[in-house]
Amino acid sequence: DQQVKQNSPSLSVQEGRISILNCDYTNSMFDYFLWYKKYPAEGPTFLISISSIKDKNEDGRFTVFLNKSAKHLSLHIVPSQPGDSAVYFCAASGGAQKLVFGQGTRLTINP
Amino acid sequence: DTGVSQDPRHKITKRGQNVTFRCDPISEHNRLYWYRQTLGQGPEFLTYFQNEAQLEKSRLLSDRFSAERPKGSFSTLEIQRTEQGDSAMYLCASSLAKGGAGSHEQYFGPGTRLTVT
Repeated sequence: DQQVKQNSPSLSVQEGRISILNCDYTNSMFDYFLWYKKYPAEGPTFLISISSIKDKNEDGRFTVFLNKSAKHLSLHIVPSQPGDSAVYFCAASGGAQKLVFGQGTRLTINP
Repeated sequence: DTGVSQDPRHKITKRGQNVTFRCDPISEHNRLYWYRQTLGQGPEFLTYFQNEAQLEKSRLLSDRFSAERPKGSFSTLEIQRTEQGDSAMYLCASSLAKGGAGSHEQYFGPGTRLTVT
């Protein structure tokens, strides 16, 4: 069963505009959510995270929103830059142990 | 450089051979995780260690797979009698757990890409 889902395999956004990546989860025991960015031939790089006791966390151009009632989170990137082009993975954990990842969304920023 | 390192970066092997991968975590991190990633999917958890103790293994980890972390520092992942379905990227990650509470943020190495022919 896919406990963490990213339903958009790809997203294309113009440089300077907002990128919104979405993620849904099914397991209500998850208490922490993370976003990772991955370039080809590299391991995932930690980007930003949010605890289940919060509904928003911001770090520079990156903001993560959590809607627990809908079991949905999103990552907003404003403004989008060409270097943001990568695959983005949503991940969830319960009890600070293993991460459960979504399938990823390939973000392309067009000049 | 104090990040997570993995060796080798690429491995091509014939079906039926054994392979071993190594992971060196961030030096102060006491937790070490192994994941496997196939094309078009996110990483899938295989196993993790806190210091030298292996605390959880996924049911994905068949008896052909074994992982060790003998001194609580580096870890090895061995696959015996490799099969074509083992072809994947094997990722290692580390984190710091303090006083029984874990750190959710895991930091990944570059991965070892295994191709079984």
